[in-house]
Amino acid sequence: AQRVTQPEKLLSVFKGAPVELKCNYSYSGSPELFWYVQYSRQRLQLLLRHISRESIKGFTADLNKGETSFHLKKPFAQEEDSAMYYCAPNTNAGKSTFGDGTTLTVKP
Amino acid sequence: DTGVSQNPRHKITKRGQNVTFRCDPISEHNRLYWYRQTLGQGPEFLTYFQNEAQLEKSRLLSDRFSAERPKGSFSTLEIQRTEQGDSAMYLCASSSLPGRTGGTGEKLFFGSGTQLSVL
Repeated sequence: AQRVTQPEKLLSVFKGAPVELKCNYSYSGSPELFWYVQYSRQRLQLLLRHISRESIKGFTADLNKGETSFHLKKPFAQEEDSAMYYCAPNTNAGKSTFGDGTTLTVKP
Repeated sequence: DTGVSQNPRHKITKRGQNVTFRCDPISEHNRLYWYRQTLGQGPEFLTYFQNEAQLEKSRLLSDRFSAERPKGSFSTLEIQRTEQGDSAMYLCASSSLPGRTGGTGEKLFFGSGTQLSVL
């Protein structure tokens, strides 16, 4: 069965500190990995996808196929990064499977 | 294009009543998804369409739930004989087939959702 684990429900860091949001997945086939973010009072939106290998809002994510992980990282967290983050593998077979999310709070 | 649109934003109903939600996807997107989200959990897949064809339904989708996308554009999700356990946020998302955006997976564009409360 497809499964996505985001072990931290809540994560709190101070502004300027590094942050890492963990994601482990169990998935058949070769999924593409995505991170979605939901800011307060906004809709769920794409943050980044592993295939693009780009940094969005200072975030990066490295796909580790051996460990089946896709952790999201940012070296210096900002208050505006406070949001709910979801890891979501997806294949061309249709649906994405979402983790239960991590609520990130960046304190001033 | 203003993105994926869902109506209504909120729906309060009494147990046993029927409700219908509407989703208007981004116009050029041929795939449309319905998800359900409850507090503290991530979105759970319900069903999806490619054009007007419903290609997959989750086992979460009991026979009280039905979804349609009659002309391959907007979609409706109907819940008959609602139960308190149906209370949730119902999310719609659309995407274009991979190949247009690159990669093997699909980038989903979400609506703001319909919050259903069954009393």
